[in-house]
Amino acid sequence: GAGVSQSPSNKVTEKGKDVELRCDPISGHTALYWYRQSLGQGLEFLIYFQGNSAPDKSGLPSDRFSAERTGGSVSTLTIQRTQQEDSAVYLCASSLNRGHGELFFGEGSRLTVL
Amino acid sequence: TQLLEQSPQFLSIQEGENLTVYCNSSSVFSSLQWYRQEPGEGPVLLVTVVTGGEVKKLKRLTFQFGDARKDSSLHITAAQPGDTGLYLCAGGAGANNLFFGTGTRLTVIP
Repeated sequence: GAGVSQSPSNKVTEKGKDVELRCDPISGHTALYWYRQSLGQGLEFLIYFQGNSAPDKSGLPSDRFSAERTGGSVSTLTIQRTQQEDSAVYLCASSLNRGHGELFFGEGSRLTVL
Repeated sequence: TQLLEQSPQFLSIQEGENLTVYCNSSSVFSSLQWYRQEPGEGPVLLVTVVTGGEVKKLKRLTFQFGDARKDSSLHITAAQPGDTGLYLCAGGAGANNLFFGTGTRLTVIP
């Protein structure tokens, strides 16, 4: 498709399990963002990739969270040893280039940790 | 982290009324964007403002960027039920990442 694709759309897991969330950005977009949104509130920044530069990981809440972007395209957000407070919608967005152009968002991955 | 506070957090109004949503920060931004998000979807860009004092109009929506580039407002004239949603401001500084505000949830009652 032409938009940002995220999978899975819904994930229910047990506390302590690891989860992987995938983001497929719009082709040609060099910037990729991960945000977390709880209960329809504002977006909490997690991590930002820009081209081949080192990612900005300053928003990752703990060392249980990590993300990678392979070949400048697909990104995976991994949460290890999930906790109930990790339950949220994880949104991925991509942008054509740096400089705060329009962000195009996926529909998000809703994570529920039981 | 650059904090953007939005007010009000919740707003419920009757169709046809006017409203203003505010986005405030102590940080200076090189650009500020407004997004609207509907349930089950990602946010969608409404406008980008880049110049202090800039005013942009998008049909019934008027966006203003503060002179000092620390704050912004969104004014909706004659609100319609289709305006219902979560409104988010987002500020950028240089080439760094984009920080989102706390959000304003608007409900327009027919």
